[in-house]
Amino acid sequence: DAGVIQSPRHEVTEMGQEVTLRCKPISGHDYLFWYRQTMMRGLELLIYFNNNVPIDDSGMPEDRFSAKMPNASFSTLKIQPSEPRDSAVYFCASSLGGPAFFGQGTRLTVV
Amino acid sequence: EDQVTQSPEALRLQEGESSSLNCSYTVSGLRGLFWYRQDPGKGPEFLFTLYSAGEEKEKERLKATLTKKESFLHITAPKPEDSATYLCAVLNYGGSQGNLIFGKGTKLSVKP
Repeated sequence: DAGVIQSPRHEVTEMGQEVTLRCKPISGHDYLFWYRQTMMRGLELLIYFNNNVPIDDSGMPEDRFSAKMPNASFSTLKIQPSEPRDSAVYFCASSLGGPAFFGQGTRLTVV
Repeated sequence: EDQVTQSPEALRLQEGESSSLNCSYTVSGLRGLFWYRQDPGKGPEFLFTLYSAGEEKEKERLKATLTKKESFLHITAPKPEDSATYLCAVLNYGGSQGNLIFGKGTKLSVKP
């Protein structure tokens, strides 16, 4: 298996623009997580899905953030409009309910 | 509130100098504790799962142990390639099922 696949690896965008991050989980995994990592706050859980259904989105910073999982092999995290404080590395991870396996992340820079 | 605390925040060792990293946790009911390694610019890489107090797991120069309140990651005779940030995470019975709670990590530097 290729592992969790995220795209793009790097994204530079201007403040106010819409940003969409994409994730393909490991085949067969029924949990999918979106994390954000910064130096100050470490790894923060934004939202997670179980069997394509959002279970806990309490970590989503505000209404500018939204996530979808239309099927078992694809998820998106959208930020609209983006702000400089959204600059971070965003990770997608998947699991079977035990340890999570992470993608390589998307480094987002909002200027 | 469920919490995971790792110490120290940073650790500098000479090659061959053994040491331990600590992960203390307070959760309503532990389903599992996980150790990860993260290299710069990469996602966390899964290392070990520990389920119950007294359990130990080993991989090369790393050994993870678990008690009812904390876990240790022992590094024996480290090499420069062991330099990375080591993250600890717990999975609990309470709260949202499937959600890992991460500590902030220990950044390990091993000098030749």
